[in-house]
Amino acid sequence: RKEVEQDPGPFNVPEGATVAFNCTYSNSASQSFFWYRQDCRKEPKLLMSVYSSGNEDGRFTAQLNRASQYISLLIRDSKLSDSATYLCVVHRDNYGQNFVFGPGTRLSVLP
Amino acid sequence: DTAVSQTPKYLVTQMGNDKSIKCEQNLGHDTMYWYKQDSKKFLKIMFSYNNKELIINETVPNRFSPKSPDKAHLNLHINSLELGDSAVYFCASSQDLAVREQFFGPGTRLTVL
Repeated sequence: RKEVEQDPGPFNVPEGATVAFNCTYSNSASQSFFWYRQDCRKEPKLLMSVYSSGNEDGRFTAQLNRASQYISLLIRDSKLSDSATYLCVVHRDNYGQNFVFGPGTRLSVLP
Repeated sequence: DTAVSQTPKYLVTQMGNDKSIKCEQNLGHDTMYWYKQDSKKFLKIMFSYNNKELIINETVPNRFSPKSPDKAHLNLHINSLELGDSAVYFCASSQDLAVREQFFGPGTRLTVL
């Protein structure tokens, strides 16, 4: 079993739709969690950090459930520009900056 | 005013050659990383350095040798290139060991023939 797993996708949704991505992690000692987005043939860019209490940034909402070792990302009112691969990232331990990236979920928002 | 830059952007070479990829960040960050993204798009950490000191080496073959001449640079030298080394290599940096947000360079697409 991979340390970080994500919905395989791809997700093809119409503009304006709400879409949710799931991510699970196996290492219960994981400390910090993030969502990155990666456009085709580009570098990953931080979308948002994920906090225990859940957090929202505009149309994006991230949730963390430590008991179930589960992270989610909700995108409301999808835009064409949201089309990308969304990477769930888990920070393994307190020292060493050891990050584990999930395989990514690809989203295509269609006109 | 590029934050994290890498050179070259593309690298095509023969098996058995030795090549280097350079990375520079102008963000004043203490921590730098090398990642490999293979054809299946998995992004895996290879190395991380903090203040020029190696802090993570993720079971990477010793043909790969990172070098950090100063805090702003982390270069990757690869000896005896193999077909399986073909991938996109990303350099990244973060402010320090306490701050987890990483900024990635544009990537170097390495093709080994």
